[in-house]
Amino acid sequence: ILNVEQSPQSLHVQEGDSTNFTCSFPSSNFYALHWYRWETAKSPEALFVMTLNGDEKKKGRISATLNTKEGYSYLYIKGSQPEDSATYLCALYNTDKLIFGTGTRLQVFP
Amino acid sequence: DSGVTQTPKHLITATGQRVTLRCSPRSGDLSVYWYQQSLDQGLQFLIQYYNGEERAKGNILERFSAQQFPDLHSELNLSSLELGDSALYFCASSVEGRGGRTGELFFGEGSRLTVL
Repeated sequence: ILNVEQSPQSLHVQEGDSTNFTCSFPSSNFYALHWYRWETAKSPEALFVMTLNGDEKKKGRISATLNTKEGYSYLYIKGSQPEDSATYLCALYNTDKLIFGTGTRLQVFP
Repeated sequence: DSGVTQTPKHLITATGQRVTLRCSPRSGDLSVYWYQQSLDQGLQFLIQYYNGEERAKGNILERFSAQQFPDLHSELNLSSLELGDSALYFCASSVEGRGGRTGELFFGEGSRLTVL
């Protein structure tokens, strides 16, 4: 069974704080690692798709890194804002399936 | 708006019943994926279709079945429903057959099924 693990499960931060989450996955047969942002009552939206070891991607205040050899990815949010409140999902592409972690639920308080 | 349309948005039914969830992928996307999200669980992959053919299968129960039609819309059929089938069912689409290998999936807003 393929396990994609995310930590922490939830996070509460103050507006302006920077934060980061971890996604851990088996490093064998790696093809791609995705990050999605899922706001309540909406559909998950892709943030990044990373395929190469050492990949770093950035979108505004959000960035992600990938280490395929040790099997982890970090998602960073700089200067968190209340609108960043959402569940952040990582997903591993492996053997024709995109397998999701359980997510990190972020709440940013003003 | 992702361009993926799911109907119905909400559905309440009784145990033992059968329901059909419908998904229209983004224009031009050939692959459709079904995921189930139960309380306190992540998105569980059920099944994928590519251009009408089953492409990959996850932990889909035998009581569940799906198909993709020539116009590329897909239906997920859930039968002999149990209380534990209550969940949010997501459909996603991608252009390629091995969706997720190089590109993102585009998700619909989900169909929330409540079994009483």
